[in-house]
Amino acid sequence: DQQVKQNSPSLSVQEGRISILNCDYTNSMFDYFLWYKKYPAEGPTFLISISSIKDKNEDGRFTVFLNKSAKHLSLHIVPSQPGDSAVYFCAAILTLTGANNLFFGTGTRLTVIP
Amino acid sequence: EAQVTQNPRYLITVTGKKLTVTCSQNMNHEYMSWYRQDPGLGLRQIYYSMNVEVTDKGDVPEGYKVSRKEKRNFPLILESPSPNQTSLYFCASTRTSGRAHTQYFGPGTRLTVL
Repeated sequence: DQQVKQNSPSLSVQEGRISILNCDYTNSMFDYFLWYKKYPAEGPTFLISISSIKDKNEDGRFTVFLNKSAKHLSLHIVPSQPGDSAVYFCAAILTLTGANNLFFGTGTRLTVIP
Repeated sequence: EAQVTQNPRYLITVTGKKLTVTCSQNMNHEYMSWYRQDPGLGLRQIYYSMNVEVTDKGDVPEGYKVSRKEKRNFPLILESPSPNQTSLYFCASTRTSGRAHTQYFGPGTRLTVL
């Protein structure tokens, strides 16, 4: 049963506009969330994270928002650039277990059109 | 350069022929894990290791074995591969101190079992 879901398999955005990638989760015990970016023929690379005690974390063009009551997080990329074209995975962790098992979503392929 | 390496990057084999995919990290991380990525399913954890000689099952461990005899290496073993193990495999590592949940991924190994 998928505990982390990304319902949009793909997204196309014009260069310079905002990209919004969404992620939903079912387990309310998740307390740490991450976004990874993946280019073809490479492993996922860490992009940005947020603890469940926050509702927003910003790093340059990337901002992650967390809505715990809705069990929803989103990644905003502003402005979008062609180099942002990649597959984006959201992931969640239960830090209380002491393990580092990342529960991944199925990914959203972002295409930024020049 | 801090990195996670995997070998081989590509492998085509036949059903039942034992194989090993190696994984090595140079960051002195305690925690290492293996994931498989399949279309529509995202990344799912196969096995993980909290430290040397400490391993445990992830979400999809059937048909796989691992060992952790030294901190830097975490090989994935398929004793008798089957076609349903055709997948893209990623090794990852992270520190376990504090809230260091950012996992560093290897470049991936694409396995085809005929």
